[in-house]
Amino acid sequence: QQPVQSPQAVILREGEDAVINCSSSKALYSVHWYRQKHGEAPVFLMILLKGGEQKGHEKISASFNEKKQQSSLYLTASQLSYSGTYFCGTEQRSWGKLQFGAGTQVVVTP
Amino acid sequence: DAGVIQSPRHEVTEMGQEVTLRCKLISGHNSLFWYRQTMMRGLELLIYFNNNVPIDDSGMPEDRFSAKMPNASFSTLKIQPSEPRDSAVYFCASLSPGGRYGYTFGSGTRLTVV
Repeated sequence: QQPVQSPQAVILREGEDAVINCSSSKALYSVHWYRQKHGEAPVFLMILLKGGEQKGHEKISASFNEKKQQSSLYLTASQLSYSGTYFCGTEQRSWGKLQFGAGTQVVVTP
Repeated sequence: DAGVIQSPRHEVTEMGQEVTLRCKLISGHNSLFWYRQTMMRGLELLIYFNNNVPIDDSGMPEDRFSAKMPNASFSTLKIQPSEPRDSAVYFCASLSPGGRYGYTFGSGTRLTVV
């Protein structure tokens, strides 16, 4: 039931783009994205509800393909502050429990 | 708004001792979640409450773990007796009404059982 994230890690130079994928074997109600910096708590980035919407947060955006039970997070023109571990969390119904993927470690270098 | 507040930030205890972790929710948030994070297992949901009622405790590892939510703004997670394999960072999180702003996590309690 835990969603599968890929890749496990990615190293970027400042200004480069990256895509993080999240997939589930179950029908989903929503997908959440969080970023966690070392020694800190996860911080909410965005939520996508079923309906195939796309959202953005600064130069970070995401899409949700309800038919494929997949979501992708797009890091565009990455900044040093984007470094951290990105987690997707999935819900199978409204107000249901959020199951997190294993995380994708992102390192942005100067 | 002070956010979700957890205490203590760090706890070191000896095997066999009782440990109590505390969490204060954001006012107006009525769903509370306890997660445990380790390198090996990632973020695991232990239990969650809605309107003070436990909804799903299937993630609680064993009977040594118990959680309560005596009122709308406070929850405790107790481990008795503690074991070294319980060492982890424990987060509580609350969900905004309607859920559109996601979970707000507390800063976590780093538990070390020696």
